Amino acid sequence: DSGVTQTPKHLITATGQRVTLRCSPRSGDLSVYWYQQSLDQGLQFLIQYYNGEERAKGNILERFSAQQFPDLHSELNLSSLELGDSALYFCASSVAKITGELFFGEGSRLTVL
Amino acid sequence: GIQVEQSPPDLILQEGANSTLRCNFSDSVNNLQWFHQNPWGQLINLFYIPSGTKQNGRLSATTVATERYSLLYISSSQTTDSGVYFCAVERGSQGNLIFGKGTKLSVKP
Repeated sequence: DSGVTQTPKHLITATGQRVTLRCSPRSGDLSVYWYQQSLDQGLQFLIQYYNGEERAKGNILERFSAQQFPDLHSELNLSSLELGDSALYFCASSVAKITGELFFGEGSRLTVL
Repeated sequence: GIQVEQSPPDLILQEGANSTLRCNFSDSVNNLQWFHQNPWGQLINLFYIPSGTKQNGRLSATTVATERYSLLYISSSQTTDSGVYFCAVERGSQGNLIFGKGTKLSVKP
């Protein structure tokens, strides 16, 4: 158990819909990262938050957004879903502002039908 | 950007065998981690090893930063070692890890 909690574990929805994925970092970690793992793209960095503020941005689509709340949990919002958004979405956390050792949650598997 | 290449892409072993997985990266890094993704999809930390050598039970890892590679050794492999092994690196303070494509390991009983 990494200490990073993600919900839901599985999610099935339809094209055009919107979903929210939730992540609670390890106790004491201030940084939260979101990654997407798809069969064709591998593990891709989406976005990082540190202590409530966006710190780094990767290959995140405009239809996707994220935030980190004062209690440090984070949410990833995916809207206008397309078939190609089906993937495993991971949250990771670290204590440091600059990466350091990352610990990953179990992931949220999104299927868009 | 930095390139991360892992080899071999696939590896099949008999239980009890030893193996070495390699990760080459194209530029200097300040962060390198090895992960194991089990058949259920969980990403498990193995080593945080930007340089030097570490050991944890049957697993050990060595990173030679000056030569831009890292090795993961698995000894006396078990069926539970099956899965995909990822190397991930960070250059500078970009704020994210870049993952290789992984080595898929299958350990047969």
